[in-house]
Amino acid sequence: AQSVTQLGSHVSVSEGALVLLRCNYSSSVPPYLFWYVQYPNQGLQLLLKYTTGATLVKGINGFEAEFKKSETSFHLTKPSAHMSDAAEYFCAVSPVLMQGAQKLVFGQGTRLTINP
Amino acid sequence: NAGVTQTPKFQVLKTGQSMTLQCAQDMNHEYMSWYRQDPGMGLRLIHYSVGAGITDQGEVPNGYNVSRSTTEDFPLRLLSAAPSQTSVYFCASSYDRVSYEQYFGPGTRLTVT
Repeated sequence: AQSVTQLGSHVSVSEGALVLLRCNYSSSVPPYLFWYVQYPNQGLQLLLKYTTGATLVKGINGFEAEFKKSETSFHLTKPSAHMSDAAEYFCAVSPVLMQGAQKLVFGQGTRLTINP
Repeated sequence: NAGVTQTPKFQVLKTGQSMTLQCAQDMNHEYMSWYRQDPGMGLRLIHYSVGAGITDQGEVPNGYNVSRSTTEDFPLRLLSAAPSQTSVYFCASSYDRVSYEQYFGPGTRLTVT
């Protein structure tokens, strides 16, 4: 069975500082990997995804993540935090299934706070 | 396009009552799913459907029923609500089998007393 671990339920950074949100997964085969963001009282929005190809993927709002197979990690980074980045972030994995079934397995979430 | 819509936004039930959470999408997506979100546990898959007439269980299906009679609609039924079903429920849909991007609705906050 696949699982996802997000290190740190709360992360606080200053505006303009580096954002680093950690995600490790366990899977018997390389899965598809995702980062979603949830703003208060809203649904989830896809930030970025890794399926195949280049291991460094860029997403919306200046975020990027690197798939490291040897470390089973998919950490999310942004060089300079903005106040509008305050939200909850979820890492998710999905096995490569047939018939289009997409059983996303989510991590516990990391709440990002930006200090002015 | 309205995307994925969910009704109601909020609901309070008494233990033992039944209700249906509605989910609809207007993007002609084949795949639809229901998740529940609980503090510190992320989102967990309840049921999913890969097309009209086809449904299957996810990680936490007990206490919930689903059906998929049309491509657009995927209702979630609670037959006898329990306090443990207090949660925020999200519906999601997807079409692209290459990118596997799922689109989420705004959620329904359910409280069972």
